[in-house]
Amino acid sequence: GEDVEQSLFLSVREGDSSVINCTYTDSSSTYLYWYKQEPGAGLQLLTYIFSNMDMKQDQRLTVLLNKKDKHLSLRIADTQTGDSAIYFCAEKGSSGSARQLTFGSGTQLTVLP
Amino acid sequence: ETGVTQSPTHLIKTRGQQVTLRCSSQSGHNTVSWYQQALGQGPQFIFQYYREEENGRGNFPPRFSGLQFPNYSSELNVNALELDDSALYLCASSLMASGGGEQFFGPGTRLTVL
Repeated sequence: GEDVEQSLFLSVREGDSSVINCTYTDSSSTYLYWYKQEPGAGLQLLTYIFSNMDMKQDQRLTVLLNKKDKHLSLRIADTQTGDSAIYFCAEKGSSGSARQLTFGSGTQLTVLP
Repeated sequence: ETGVTQSPTHLIKTRGQQVTLRCSSQSGHNTVSWYQQALGQGPQFIFQYYREEENGRGNFPPRFSGLQFPNYSSELNVNALELDDSALYLCASSLMASGGGEQFFGPGTRLTVL
């Protein structure tokens, strides 16, 4: 079945850039998403990219997609303490009618002052 | 625009009991998906409802069942609760016709099974 992998932890200094990486196995993925989860909260959709794109920029967020290597990354510019959270990569495959998402285990981002 | 809401926020049950969790979808959305998020893990897809019918199911046993109502709100029912059912249950709403298929999540219901 589909699998999505992420590194578990990332620490950066406030003001630096953060890069969170993700790999996936489903070559039929149509959309890939980044969600943010703060402690005790639900998931907040940050951005998403269609599989025929290789880059998408949205304010401080840049998503890069390497479809050949099935590698997705999220770059957060000028990282702030409020960016500390768990970030989930998710993919939606093209098989079946259900628009279910397959999530990675999440990357805990810690922003140090 | 009203976001996705879920009730209750927290719930404590004992093994063998039954539970019903509720979700109101975001205004204008016609599809509801349910996910289970165990501690330290990413969400796992349970099932999805569209037009009041189940539209896809993940690897969960039949004691997990659901409903969708004409106003697109939804319920998740779990029978014969097991200790491993302790998790955060997340509801996500989306618009089936939306190309991006973006799913917007509610705050979740934290279920503890003792």
